[in-house]
Amino acid sequence: AQSVTQLGSHVSVSEGALVLLRCNYSSSVPPYLFWYVQYPNQGLQLLLKYTTGATLVKGINGFEAEFKKSETSFHLTKPSAHMSDAAEYFCAVSDNFGNEKLTFGTGTRLTIIP
Amino acid sequence: EADIYQTPRYLVIGTGKKITLECSQTMGHDKMYWYQQDPGMELHLIHYSYGVNSTEKGDLSSESTVSRIRTEHFPLTLESARPSHTSQYLCASSERLRGRDSDEQFFGPGTRLTVL
Repeated sequence: AQSVTQLGSHVSVSEGALVLLRCNYSSSVPPYLFWYVQYPNQGLQLLLKYTTGATLVKGINGFEAEFKKSETSFHLTKPSAHMSDAAEYFCAVSDNFGNEKLTFGTGTRLTIIP
Repeated sequence: EADIYQTPRYLVIGTGKKITLECSQTMGHDKMYWYQQDPGMELHLIHYSYGVNSTEKGDLSSESTVSRIRTEHFPLTLESARPSHTSQYLCASSERLRGRDSDEQFFGPGTRLTVL
């Protein structure tokens, strides 16, 4: 069974400050890891994903995440927050057997302080 | 840009009514999914389909049913709505492309259902 834990249901950062959203996973097999963003009244949009290869993954809107197997983590970062980054962020894991079934974390609501 | 549509976007309905939530995608994806999302909670997979005439129950038990008669269409039906069904329902689709490890799921905008 797989699971995802997102530490901090609400995170607030000042505009221009570093964004760090934490995600830890549990998986009995090598995982595929994803970060999705959800803006109000919209569906989810993929920010980035890790499948194999380079452990530092770059995504859209200046976000990146690093897969750390020893820490079972996949934290999302952005060097400088922008007001448009305010949204709900979901970390998700799937197995690598190709069924694309995702297990999601509970989400982190990111607020940007002007 | 992903082309996956859900209707209605918002639905308020009385207890006992039969409802169908529509989901359509124009990308030709074989795989489609329904998730249930409560405020402040994670998304839970309630149904999925790997192609026409294929439907499976997801990780979260649901009283809803689904059908997949056409590739592009994956409707979800509640025969008798109850207040406990109040939630947001998100539809998604994906396609495993040859040579790729995995492919992303594309999500629709969701249907927010309120059962009074």
